[in-house]
Amino acid sequence: DGGITQSPKYLFRKEGQNVTLSCEQNLNHDAMYWYRQDPGQGLRLIYYSQIVNDFQKGDIAEGYSVSREKKESFPLTVTSAQKNPTAFYLCASSIVGQSTTYEQYFGPGTRLTVT
Amino acid sequence: ILNVEQSPQSLHVQEGDSTNFTCSFPSSNFYALHWYRWETAKSPEALFVMTLNGDEKKKGRISATLNTKEGYSYLYIKGSQPEDSATYLCAFTNTNAGKSTFGDGTTLTVKP
Repeated sequence: DGGITQSPKYLFRKEGQNVTLSCEQNLNHDAMYWYRQDPGQGLRLIYYSQIVNDFQKGDIAEGYSVSREKKESFPLTVTSAQKNPTAFYLCASSIVGQSTTYEQYFGPGTRLTVT
Repeated sequence: ILNVEQSPQSLHVQEGDSTNFTCSFPSSNFYALHWYRWETAKSPEALFVMTLNGDEKKKGRISATLNTKEGYSYLYIKGSQPEDSATYLCAFTNTNAGKSTFGDGTTLTVKP
């Protein structure tokens, strides 16, 4: 089955620690995205990547870092510089191409709690 | 940051009621407008994508319209059922492409 996997589903960390969230896709999509959701709000874009070894900041990139060394993988690191890291994190992917509509396919999400 | 607004924020209806939501977005540099449905404990799933002014899409009891000149899209649900209960998100993609801005969503609860 093709899809996007995120692990773990729940993650707990102490304040001041960096933590890396995993996102893997086997859809052969070129583009991958990281979003954050807070209660009562929609999805806010953290980082996105349209090709291996390249990525761009989204609207709320401060305190986060990413890498895109493989097409299938787009891990997100939440650093200690992120002031409010507790949130629900969603990873997505989409096709990139001349006629693409950038419809996104989402993973199940990771709920991060930092105390 | 582009402004994409959805209204209402939440909606409670009885089974059988028809309902509609609104998504407003910038009217310039339009590329595509997506509607996603996000059920509890599941991942968001695409409902519709619209790319041309005047587009209308339909899937069963759910339909959507698009007006790119004035920057809005409507999602209609006819004869709501409890299984329609979900958060409905719209996402605007501009001509820079590759990047979508989501609204905050409309959460629909359909009571049996």
